[in-house]
Amino acid sequence: KQEVTQIPAALSVPEGENLVLNCSFTDSAIYNLQWFRQDPGKGLTSLLLIQSSQREQTSGRLNASLDKSSGRSTLYIAASQPGDSATYLCAVRTGANNLFFGTGTRLTVIP
Amino acid sequence: DTGVSQDPRHKITKRGQNVTFRCDPISEHNRLYWYRQTLGQGPEFLTYFQNEAQLEKSRLLSDRFSAERPKGSFSTLEIQRTEQGDSAMYLCASSPPDRSEAFFGQGTRLTVV
Repeated sequence: KQEVTQIPAALSVPEGENLVLNCSFTDSAIYNLQWFRQDPGKGLTSLLLIQSSQREQTSGRLNASLDKSSGRSTLYIAASQPGDSATYLCAVRTGANNLFFGTGTRLTVIP
Repeated sequence: DTGVSQDPRHKITKRGQNVTFRCDPISEHNRLYWYRQTLGQGPEFLTYFQNEAQLEKSRLLSDRFSAERPKGSFSTLEIQRTEQGDSAMYLCASSPPDRSEAFFGQGTRLTVV
């Protein structure tokens, strides 16, 4: 069974700092990987989708990379802002039609 | 279209009661998923529909749970004889036919007292 791990579980940084969130998965036979943001008590907002054939995707201050062979992905956030405070979840899609999620990294950006 | 819509947003029910949640996916998204999320955990897959056909169910979906998508548009998730362990956020997601990106709704938070 696919297992997804996210490190660290929680992270606090001062405003303006660049940061990296990590995601690892045990089975490299994935279809794609998706990063989400979740605010407390809310649903998930899709941030970036990386297909298995891609190495990275960028959207604004966010950059996600994928190394499928080593089972790793990173989410890089540049020039962090207090509004970035949320839980960030990564999820991998296998050949089956579901997503396997990590437990998330809770990010706090301190003004 | 403003995205995946779920109703209600919150539900408090007494143990033993039945509850039903509704999900309206993004228009023309033929794939629909239900997930459950407990505090501090990532969402866990429950079931998947392609159009009106329920193609996959998780072992988490006990016989007290049933999901339908009768016309291939909205979906309902019913929990019968609720238990305190059913308390969780129930999330619905949809995907278009040509892309596997999942778009989630705001969820229904269920509290069983």
